[in-house]
Amino acid sequence: EDKVVQSPLSLVVHEGDTVTLNCSYEVTNFRSLLWYKQEKKAPTFLFMLTSSGIEKKSGRLSSILDKKELFSILNITATQTGDSAVYLCAVSGTYKYIFGTGTRLKVLA
Amino acid sequence: GAVVSQHPSWVICKSGTSVKIECRSLDFQATTMFWYRQFPKQSLMLMATSNEGSKATYEQGVEKDKFLINHASLTLSTLTVTSAHPEDSSFYICSASQVSGNTIYFGEGSWLTVV
Repeated sequence: EDKVVQSPLSLVVHEGDTVTLNCSYEVTNFRSLLWYKQEKKAPTFLFMLTSSGIEKKSGRLSSILDKKELFSILNITATQTGDSAVYLCAVSGTYKYIFGTGTRLKVLA
Repeated sequence: GAVVSQHPSWVICKSGTSVKIECRSLDFQATTMFWYRQFPKQSLMLMATSNEGSKATYEQGVEKDKFLINHASLTLSTLTVTSAHPEDSSFYICSASQVSGNTIYFGEGSWLTVV
């Protein structure tokens, strides 16, 4: 059965901390893994990963994929209160996306 | 765990016809369901929010007469693309939230190709 599991489910940190969010998956005909940030309405795209071992960076956020072990991590360094959100991981297979239930991050000032 | 099912997974239709996509919550009651559209390599775009038993709330720029949304029960919402045109070809995905709790569960999406 295809599935995407994110951990932890929720996380509370203080500004300046570094956090690592995990996403493991089992999906038939894997095509890509995507990270989204969900704040209000629609999830905002962060990264799309297709190849193992290649880190993608955007400012304080970075992500990497391990296709052998079937997982990805999303790192956020020097967290800010504006990073508070639900972070969603989705894996695309043939004709479908499988979403995890997200990690709810709360950054305290 | 909670499961949201979308059907069909993919569909091809002719220009001018209408196509219906279903979104079902299989093991929970969903008071609110969301419909999104995604263009390649872009973020999901929220199209509308549907609440059971009431009219859907559409986002700015989304034609409500073209994208008909019905949320007739706590487990089913449908999106009907009316008089489809090739530019409506896209990936449509729904999500649902439970009556209690604030987790949103996503369907697997539906690929629509209009020829």
